[in-house]
This record gives sequence, C-alpha cells and structure tokens, in this order.
Amino acid sequence: SQQGEEDPQALSIQEGENATMNCSYKTSINNLQWYRQNSGRGLVHLILIRSNEREKHSGRLRVTLDTSKKSSSLLITASRAADTASYFCATDRYTGGFKTIFGAGTRLFVKA
Amino acid sequence: NAGVTQTPKFQVLKTGQSMTLQCAQDMNHEYMSWYRQDPGMGLRLIHYSVGAGITDQGEVPNGYNVSRSTTEDFPLRLLSAAPSQTSVYFCASSSGSAGGNIQYFGAGTRLSVL
Repeated sequence: SQQGEEDPQALSIQEGENATMNCSYKTSINNLQWYRQNSGRGLVHLILIRSNEREKHSGRLRVTLDTSKKSSSLLITASRAADTASYFCATDRYTGGFKTIFGAGTRLFVKA
Repeated sequence: NAGVTQTPKFQVLKTGQSMTLQCAQDMNHEYMSWYRQDPGMGLRLIHYSVGAGITDQGEVPNGYNVSRSTTEDFPLRLLSAAPSQTSVYFCASSSGSAGGNIQYFGAGTRLSVL
C-alpha cells in the first residue's frame, strides 16, 4: 500500500480562495515533499520539508509537518485558475539509499 | 540540458509481447526511478537505482526488469506484457543528496496492452 494518503481526493474552489490539502503517512520519514502535476504531464517538485522542520514557506505555498501525527498539509493562498492541477505528497525514507513513495493525490480545480 | 528523456511517448502492445521503455538523464544524478500511474491514482514505485550497477524493487516490481549499466540510462523492460500493465510510466532522476531526494520527471510513456 502507498505510504502517503491525501485528503481530500478532490477540491473545487473559487479564484482568490485558499486551498488546503492534507497528507498522512505510515512510517518514519526523513523528508516530505509536495509535487504538482498538470493534466497528462510529468510531476514538478514544489517544496520539501525535513523531518526536523515544522513549517516551510515558498511564495504562496505553506507546508506544515507534524511527525507525531505522521501528517502534513499544503496550503495554497490566493489561488488562481492556473493552480488547477493534481497535487501529490511524497515521503522520503533513507535505508541505505533514498526511497520515495507517493500518495494518491488531491485534484484541485480553481474556478475563475 | 534536456533533463529526463523518455522514449517512446506512446506504445501499443499485444499481450505477451516484450518491450523496453527507455529513460536517459543528463544531470549526472545518482538516483533513478520508474513509476507507473493508473487513471485517477498516484504514482507507484516499480524499481529504483541508487547508482550504476545497483537496483532495488519498489512497491510493484512484478513483471518488470531493470538494469543500470551507466549513470545516464535506466531502461525498464516488460518481459511479457499483460493488460494489467496498461498505464502511464514515468521515469525520474534525483541527486539523492542529504538535502533531500528532489526528483525530476520525464514526460511519461503511455502504454496500452491489448
């Protein structure tokens, strides 16, 4: 089974609103990443947060990590129609080499 | 830089046929991985490599074979294609540095097995 589980599976909001996506995972990790995928394209890295960090910002993105609850959230503020995409969390676990496992993703639709 | 290049972009196979999906990267990354993505789902790790000559299984390795003879190339072989292997396949590479395993993805190969 996949390491990361995202919630909600799909989210529809109006332009200008904030979008929050959550990710839960099962085992200990070294890092957690978020990626974006536009329809039919490859994934693009958005942000990485290390296991000893609690919060990280990048532009309109804010990521939190709670290792005690094994969960993370991605907040996109002031969303735009161009933010419409699928968003995936991915957990890194180092066991002699990094192994990265992806969640099922949240499909975000931002209405103009 | 081309980044990660996957070929072919599309492929149709008949059940039982074999084929190799090609993946090449020009970023001198040590790590390379193959994922499959089924409709409406996330990526599942098939095989990965932490350097030339070193490969390991991911979540769904059955029916696939890999080798890594050079840093640049990481081909994925389907030994005897089955309809259950119809999917989009993504190759990714990363430096695997202590800073984190940030992955760079190819554009994908869309495979249909009839």
